[in-house]
Amino acid sequence: DTAVSQTPKYLVTQMGNDKSIKCEQNLGHDTMYWYKQDSKKFLKIMFSYNNKELIINETVPNRFSPKSPDKAHLNLHINSLELGDSAVYFCASSRSPMNTEAFFGQGTRLTVV
Amino acid sequence: SQQGEEDPQALSIQEGENATMNCSYKTSINNLQWYRQNSGRGLVHLILIRSNEREKHSGRLRVTLDTSKKSSSLLITASRAADTASYFCATDVGASYDKVIFGPGTSLSVIP
Repeated sequence: DTAVSQTPKYLVTQMGNDKSIKCEQNLGHDTMYWYKQDSKKFLKIMFSYNNKELIINETVPNRFSPKSPDKAHLNLHINSLELGDSAVYFCASSRSPMNTEAFFGQGTRLTVV
Repeated sequence: SQQGEEDPQALSIQEGENATMNCSYKTSINNLQWYRQNSGRGLVHLILIRSNEREKHSGRLRVTLDTSKKSSSLLITASRAADTASYFCATDVGASYDKVIFGPGTSLSVIP
């Protein structure tokens, strides 16, 4: 069983479109994250949710809207996609905000053309 | 600038040799973690060392932490081709140490 799964794995879309990436974890963790990894492999935290509540929002444009319907899911919706949004997006989870050992999904490679 | 920075950026060694990667950080931490990322894959947690620990081992991995120098090192002994990956250090920061900041990573190539 995949612990943290995100879909789709690849996403190619045109500028201006709206797209969503879904993430689910079956580890029973309370905390979930979205990270963005750029072409130089630099990994930056975007959002963190604990028990469906937003606890970290790292100066991300408001075109990015995370949604956590329950603590096992954290989806990422992106409006009006821009070229600079092209990156690999990783979902991750951990037991709690204080227990930061994270389990990562396989990533979603987003390409905006 | 970043909280954690790995050194070197890239490392190429022969199979069987040891690989050492270093990480420096700026602010006080609660924990420091090391992760591995194989090409095209997600990150995999390797080891966590707490701020009151100085050394930790896991199989062929040895991690040290020097809080006075704000630095950590990851040693992989008897490297294998399968160790080829990027290695990232991650530190927890913030008032509640609930935010994890990753360094830019070290790209390790182990040549068979």
